[in-house]
Amino acid sequence: GESVGLHLPTLSVQEGDNSIINCAYSNSASDYFIWYKQESGKGPQFIIDIRSNMDKRQGQRVTVLLNKTVKHLSLQIAATQPGDSAVYFCADSNQGGKLIFGQGTELSVKP
Amino acid sequence: DAGVIQSPRHEVTEMGQEVTLRCKPISGHNSLFWYRQTMMRGLELLIYFNNNVPIDDSGMPEDRFSAKMPNASFSTLKIQPSEPRDSAVYFCASSLATGRYNEKLFFGSGTQLSVL
Repeated sequence: GESVGLHLPTLSVQEGDNSIINCAYSNSASDYFIWYKQESGKGPQFIIDIRSNMDKRQGQRVTVLLNKTVKHLSLQIAATQPGDSAVYFCADSNQGGKLIFGQGTELSVKP
Repeated sequence: DAGVIQSPRHEVTEMGQEVTLRCKPISGHNSLFWYRQTMMRGLELLIYFNNNVPIDDSGMPEDRFSAKMPNASFSTLKIQPSEPRDSAVYFCASSLATGRYNEKLFFGSGTQLSVL
């Protein structure tokens, strides 16, 4: 029979544009958040992290924004490149220490 | 550093057979995690160790699954007997836990398991 898989949210952007990937978390006790990038056939790769005492953190071409009021996290990628095409996961943890991953968003960059 | 090393890269087995997945964490890391990834469930945490001691195994699906960490440089995840629904990509990850935080998990390349 036909198998039904999880349909990931997708985001398609033009090369050179900025990308914004959103993530909602449910645990108000979460105090650490992290973004991962996963390319096909590879394991997740760390991008950037942020603690709950911060609202914003910047890396190279990436910025993470945290809104604790609405339990929302976003990843902004500046000047998106074809090499940025991948599935992006957010994850959060609380005092338990274990990271819980979201379902992921598939980013497709059009040349 | 070679990163987290997992073996085998691919495993194809028949239902009922025992499967053993192996992981070598990054040297100096004190936490090790086993995740399973499927299209239906995404990335699920199965179990994690801190200083070779299992801390949380609530994600282990059934008694058919077991994990060990006999020393700081080696861990195994065993499935016995295996079933078709165990087919997935199994990732091992390690991190350096500071205080209560497990930050920046580094993932291996995964083991693609197919149970026929």
